[in-house]
Amino acid sequence: EAGVAQSPRYKIIEKRQSVAFWCNPISGHATLYWYQQILGQGPKLLIQFQNNGVVDDSQLPKDRFSAERLKGVDSTLKIQPAKLEDSAVYLCASSLEGGNTGELFFGEGSRLTVL
Amino acid sequence: AQSVTQLGSHVSVSEGALVLLRCNYSSSVPPYLFWYVQYPNQGLQLLLKYTTGATLVKGINGFEAEFKKSETSFHLTKPSAHMSDAAEYFCAVSNTGFQKLVFGTGTRLLVSP
Repeated sequence: EAGVAQSPRYKIIEKRQSVAFWCNPISGHATLYWYQQILGQGPKLLIQFQNNGVVDDSQLPKDRFSAERLKGVDSTLKIQPAKLEDSAVYLCASSLEGGNTGELFFGEGSRLTVL
Repeated sequence: AQSVTQLGSHVSVSEGALVLLRCNYSSSVPPYLFWYVQYPNQGLQLLLKYTTGATLVKGINGFEAEFKKSETSFHLTKPSAHMSDAAEYFCAVSNTGFQKLVFGTGTRLLVSP
């Protein structure tokens, strides 16, 4: 079974530029998450989707971050304009169930460096 | 609000020695507790979880953790370290099952020959 796929794996941009990350969850997984992992910190949830609807985006900086999950499958996370403090690894995870029993499966992450 | 404290950003052990990674949590309701492992340039992988029932939880790769409510702890142990255990370990807490995990800052385990 294929795991959670993310691209690109690495991205370097200048501040104020824009960037987009793509995630393809495990086939059939209804729930998709984006986490931000800053160096030296644990992952922090940015947004959670259930199929193509947003369940929780309370920690998403909506002035610069946006995410969508069209057709309830793959998802895109966009940052525009990027700031230095956005340098982090962006992890995508998916789970089969949307309730409280579905284990999260993580992708390898997309590492963003903002100069 | 929930939170997790992992004592020690780095832990060094010799191969064959006991591994002990500490995790203390704060939760206003009975928590769900998790340990994840992250190998270099890889995503997080679930090691073990505590939901309800038996307080000693066994996971993959010989790891286990014990939920101690009185100490608000969920320390991770392994009797004998192997070189392949070198990785970063994250403790996480949730009061809603697998949803909305709150992670600790992680502990990097170094294993020397």
